[in-house]
Amino acid sequence: EVQLLESGGGLKQPGGSLRLSCVDSGFTFRTYGITWVRQAPGKGLEWVSTISNTGGTIYYADSVKGRFTISRDNFKSTLYLEMNSLRAEDTAVYYCAKLAPGAFGMDVWGQGTTVTVSS
Amino acid sequence: SFELTQPPSVSVSPGQTARISCSGDALPKQYAHWYVQKPGQAPVMVIFKDSERPSGIPERFSGSTSGTTVTLTISGVKAEDEGDYYCQSGDTGGTWVFGGGTKLTVL
Repeated sequence: EVQLLESGGGLKQPGGSLRLSCVDSGFTFRTYGITWVRQAPGKGLEWVSTISNTGGTIYYADSVKGRFTISRDNFKSTLYLEMNSLRAEDTAVYYCAKLAPGAFGMDVWGQGTTVTVSS
Repeated sequence: SFELTQPPSVSVSPGQTARISCSGDALPKQYAHWYVQKPGQAPVMVIFKDSERPSGIPERFSGSTSGTTVTLTISGVKAEDEGDYYCQSGDTGGTWVFGGGTKLTVL
């Protein structure tokens, strides 16, 4: 059974950097694509980035392109999101979510980690 | 990029049928998926590929599509169905989009 656990959130100043992690406690991490989704306080869900099971295909939302980098280590069953040049509007709960087979939606979600960007 | 439009809120009484719509120009060509999020919790998928139900999701949840609109239908609504419902789809370029969300209130 896939279980995802995010970590790495915290308080950062504008312009700062942060790296989020998402660990799968199961044994199938290398078999599926995975994505980051965020939710600003009191707002809806926003897709951030997706990476394929091998890491060979990556997509970013325009709002983070050039500032955020998604990567994965299949040996450690871990997904990463390197966040640079942080802005106040990056403040959100960040969820990692497993892609369902065929990339038809996201069928397993972590509980989220909170990122706050403020001076 | 493209957009998905949902009504901000839907209210129904227990036992009635709730219908939540999601409109977008890309929907005739792309599948839509639905999620529910309850306060303080992570989202949960309730419908994928327009109308398929993941294992463990009650049969009262169903999905349909017509042209540029997909609809999530909850038959025999229960108090526990309250939450924020989001549709989601993607384009061929790898961009994914969520609708703005619909707050379902069970009166």
